[in-house]
Amino acid sequence: DADVTQTPRNRITKTGKRIMLECSQTKGHDRMYWYRQDPGLGLRLIYYSFDVKDINKGEISDGYSVSRQAQAKFSLSLESAIPNQTALYFCATSDSSGIPLGAYNEQFFGPGTRLTVL
Amino acid sequence: GENVEQHPSTLSVQEGDSAVIKCTYSDSASNYFPWYKQELGKGPQLIIDIRSNVGEKKDQRIAVTLNKTAKHFSLHITETQPEDSAVYFCAATDFGSGTYKYIFGTGTRLKVLA
Repeated sequence: DADVTQTPRNRITKTGKRIMLECSQTKGHDRMYWYRQDPGLGLRLIYYSFDVKDINKGEISDGYSVSRQAQAKFSLSLESAIPNQTALYFCATSDSSGIPLGAYNEQFFGPGTRLTVL
Repeated sequence: GENVEQHPSTLSVQEGDSAVIKCTYSDSASNYFPWYKQELGKGPQLIIDIRSNVGEKKDQRIAVTLNKTAKHFSLHITETQPEDSAVYFCAATDFGSGTYKYIFGTGTRLKVLA
């Protein structure tokens, strides 16, 4: 079974619609992230959460919101989707346990959600 | 702001040849440099990493080198095989300040030609 799952895997929607992308993990990690991938732009951080009560904006948070419902769940919402939000979205997790001040750690990515906004 | 430049954006090599991907970072506080491999239809996966107190690290056919003075780090793949074909991302991070910073490069699409 996959450790980091994302639903849906593909979504086509129309401009102005509200969309929620969901991420669940069974790795027991405390940290979760949402990235957006566009051709030629790499991976850009949208939001991240170091704990259930912790939410932080990343590089490109405008137009997005998140909710950390539980340690294992982190959802990304587009309140009113627009075409330039068409992209591949990745959820990732990492584990800070035993690491002082969040030093080196690996990020584990989900399989991605391909979102198309018409 | 901080950024990571990655070159080339695409790279084609013959099977058995070597491939080198280079990254340059701007934040001198960066202290950890991972490399991720993304296969078609999947999320990126860590393949090798290096910390700022080490100049080189090797794992079988892949190696990473770091030049802190020049703020350069590179991924080297020797004896390339078709299964090495993928998109590779470098990244630079600094957790020492307590503020999250994890900056990815723009990616390199590697094609290994049989």
